[in-house]
Amino acid sequence: KAGVTQTPRYLIKTRGQQVTLSCSPISGHRSVSWYQQTPGQGLQFLFEYFSETQRNKGNFPGRFSGRQFSNSRSEMNVSTLELGDSALYLCASSLETAFNEKLFFGSGTQLSVL
Amino acid sequence: GENVEQHPSTLSVQEGDSAVIKCTYSDSASNYFPWYKQELGKGPQLIIDIRSNVGEKKDQRIAVTLNKTAKHFSLHITETQPEDSAVYFCAANQAGTALIFGKGTTLSVSS
Repeated sequence: KAGVTQTPRYLIKTRGQQVTLSCSPISGHRSVSWYQQTPGQGLQFLFEYFSETQRNKGNFPGRFSGRQFSNSRSEMNVSTLELGDSALYLCASSLETAFNEKLFFGSGTQLSVL
Repeated sequence: GENVEQHPSTLSVQEGDSAVIKCTYSDSASNYFPWYKQELGKGPQLIIDIRSNVGEKKDQRIAVTLNKTAKHFSLHITETQPEDSAVYFCAANQAGTALIFGKGTTLSVSS
């Protein structure tokens, strides 16, 4: 079974731009959650999507948004990029929930904002 | 909301020694506590998890213990090997929402 696939692997953007990251979950997994990983803050929960609906949201500004398609693939978007948005963005898929069962993580998208 | 603290932030051991990583959580409603291992350039991978109705769980060289009264749980790795070198994250679930992760422990095993 293929794992969680995230594209692109690396991104370099400048302040003020916007970016879209993509995640393909494991086949049959309906929950997709996103995390931001930075050296200082560790892994921080952004949001979770289930059946094309955002089910839970972390404490991030509205510049961070996402969506999920009918095939469970998910995208996240960051608008008006700031230097502090530089981070590794991880996508995780699971069968039903993002808080009570094993999460399968992708290798992440490394975003650098200059 | 849930807050998870993890110690130590770095841990160096000799091959064959044991390693212990400790975490505390704040939300008494948390009932699921996984541990993830992250190797360089990869996403975190689940290595063991425990639910609140169990006090201890083992899987070969890895064990996790949970003390609900004190709100802390620990990861124990015995007979460490160089391939155990990685960053380890504990997590606790915030009821109905998401996993809240500790800030990680970088484990280095030298041969």
